[in-house]
Amino acid sequence: GQSLEQPSEVTAVEGAIVQINCTYQTSGFYGLSWYQQHDGGAPTFLSYNALDGLEETGRFSSFLSRSDSYGYLLLQELQMKDSASYFCAVRDQGSSGSARQLTFGSGTQLTVLP
Amino acid sequence: SAVISQKPSRDICQRGTSLTIQCQVDSQVTMMFWYRQQPGQSLTLIATANQGSEATYESGFVIDKFPISRPNLTFSTLTVSNMSPEDSSIYLCSVGEENEQFFGPGTRLTVL
Repeated sequence: GQSLEQPSEVTAVEGAIVQINCTYQTSGFYGLSWYQQHDGGAPTFLSYNALDGLEETGRFSSFLSRSDSYGYLLLQELQMKDSASYFCAVRDQGSSGSARQLTFGSGTQLTVLP
Repeated sequence: SAVISQKPSRDICQRGTSLTIQCQVDSQVTMMFWYRQQPGQSLTLIATANQGSEATYESGFVIDKFPISRPNLTFSTLTVSNMSPEDSSIYLCSVGEENEQFFGPGTRLTVL
């Protein structure tokens, strides 16, 4: 089966840098994604890593090491609006056979303090 | 990108009743996914709905409890049948096959 582990909570101050780690166990791994979800909102896509290395998109970067089954999301120059839940998700074969589907981690609640 | 709408946005229902949630996408998509998210928890995949075939359910979810329709490439419904308070959750429709997945705004269901 699949399992993902990420910290439940992270707190940081405005302007700081925070890293949210994710380790996973899965079969038929295709890639690691990150999603942001504000309270009461729908998850929104942040990044996707299929290959090892760092992907940078503005203030957010995501890293993947396939050999270590590990990735992280790096948020720089934190802003108050970054306070949200962040989910890592693996795209894998899943139990539905041919469909490539997302399996989500338990989520990390990020609180940005002034 | 895809724009997804869901109806209803929220509902309060009595135990033993059923609720059908509608999901409309602004473009044709092959696969649609239904997720459940309990407050403060992660997203759990209920089933994958393909047009023209029966939905594929994940472990712990069965068709009798969560029947799904997929009449065309832009629309799907999920029914929560014979509801109990344990079914209180947010139900989300989603589309996307490769790098990015898009989610509807969710249906917040409370069962009394």
